Parts: sequence; structure tokens; C-alpha cells
Amino acid sequence: QVQLVESGGGVVQSGRSLRLSCAASGFTFTSHGFFWVRQAPGKGLEWVALIWYDGSKKYYADSVKGRFTISRDNSKNTLYLQMNTLRAEDTAVYYCARDIGDFSRGGSKFDYWGRGTLVTVSS
Amino acid sequence: QSVLTQPPSVSGAPGQRVTISCTGSSSNIGAGYDVHWYQHLPGTAPKLLIYDNRNRPSGVPDRFSGSKSGTSASLAITGLQAEDEADYYCQSYDSSLNIVIFGGGTKLTVL
Repeated sequence: QVQLVESGGGVVQSGRSLRLSCAASGFTFTSHGFFWVRQAPGKGLEWVALIWYDGSKKYYADSVKGRFTISRDNSKNTLYLQMNTLRAEDTAVYYCARDIGDFSRGGSKFDYWGRGTLVTVSS
Repeated sequence: QSVLTQPPSVSGAPGQRVTISCTGSSSNIGAGYDVHWYQHLPGTAPKLLIYDNRNRPSGVPDRFSGSKSGTSASLAITGLQAEDEADYYCQSYDSSLNIVIFGGGTKLTVL
């Protein structure tokens, strides 16, 4: 069965870095693009970053552009999010989500999500 | 402030019908981009409930239905059950922002 399992969250001081991982199994990893989506405490869902199935294109929310980097290792079926220069407002549960749509046509939609990993940035 | 507007909360008694609205604009829902709905219980993975406005993934009960008209979309839940108590989010795409967008979420309480 399809599984996405995030890891790497924790408590980190403002200005430091953290790398999240999302281990995928139960499907052909290279057939899908992936998103990182986050949910701050008491807030709704916010997309963070997107990577195409082959890693050739990457997109970022303005709030993280220049600080976060999305990547993937297709040999390990793993998605990553490198988060640098963390801020208090980055505190959130971070989810990875599998895209079964076509972002280039505005058709992204997510059929499987992980359970999330909590990142807490302390000042 | 989310680009897609949802009511913060809705409620209904077991067996009743509730609807959750998702209001956008001419650069997202009104531009023809599809709307998708997710059910989210705290501490769990969000679940795709409705995709492409009105389609249900395998395993989603037909008590859940979606519709879209103009710049808005709706999720309807009939025969409310206690297990339906969760947060619900709509999602689409905005051509002005060139990003995936989510509604602010609606908390459904089953009385």
C-alpha cells in the first residue's frame, strides 16, 4: 500500500537549519511530483514547495523562497526539504503529499499524504 | 487570509445534511480550475475526499458529494455520522499567483 512517512522535525533555534525527509513506498516514486505542505498552529494548510517527478522543476512559496530547498533521491524513494535560516513563523506540521495532477496546467491534487512532522522554531 | 474562503465552522445532528462552501474568484475557481476537497483529523494524514469538483476516490462513501458553479464550490455531506467530525479544506489553483491554494478550512461538529 502507498505510504509516505515524514521525519526530521524537532525543536530548533531561530536562524538554524533542519532537513526533513519523506520516505515513500508502495508505488513507483519516479512517476509523481511531490509537494511539501505545512500547517501552522491554529491555521490552515499552506503549500511550501513542489518538485516535479524527475526533479527538473522546483517551485517555492514566496514565504520560503531563498531559504528552503526541495529535492528528491529517486534511488532511495525519498523526498527532502532543506530548511535554512528558520524563523518563528516556520513553526508548523510539515506534510509531504503525492501529486496526481498536472501542476503545469493548474491541476495539482493530492491523493496521499503523510502524517506530518512537527517543526518548532524557538526564538 | 486565504484566497479561497470557507466558513470557519458548521455543525449538524447525526443523520442530517450539511454543506461547506468554498468561495474563490475569477483567477481560480472562476477561471475553470478544478476544486478538490480534503478531510483532516488532527494528528492524521489529510484524506482526499473529492477531486475534480465532483469525483469521489475509491472508498469514499457516496454520502460525500461536491459541486462547482461560477466562482464557488461546495461539499455536501448527507447522513451525518460522528466519524465525520473533522476539518475540511478545499483546494484549487490560482493563475494570478501561479500557486496551489487552499481554503482556510472548516471545522465540522456533529452535535
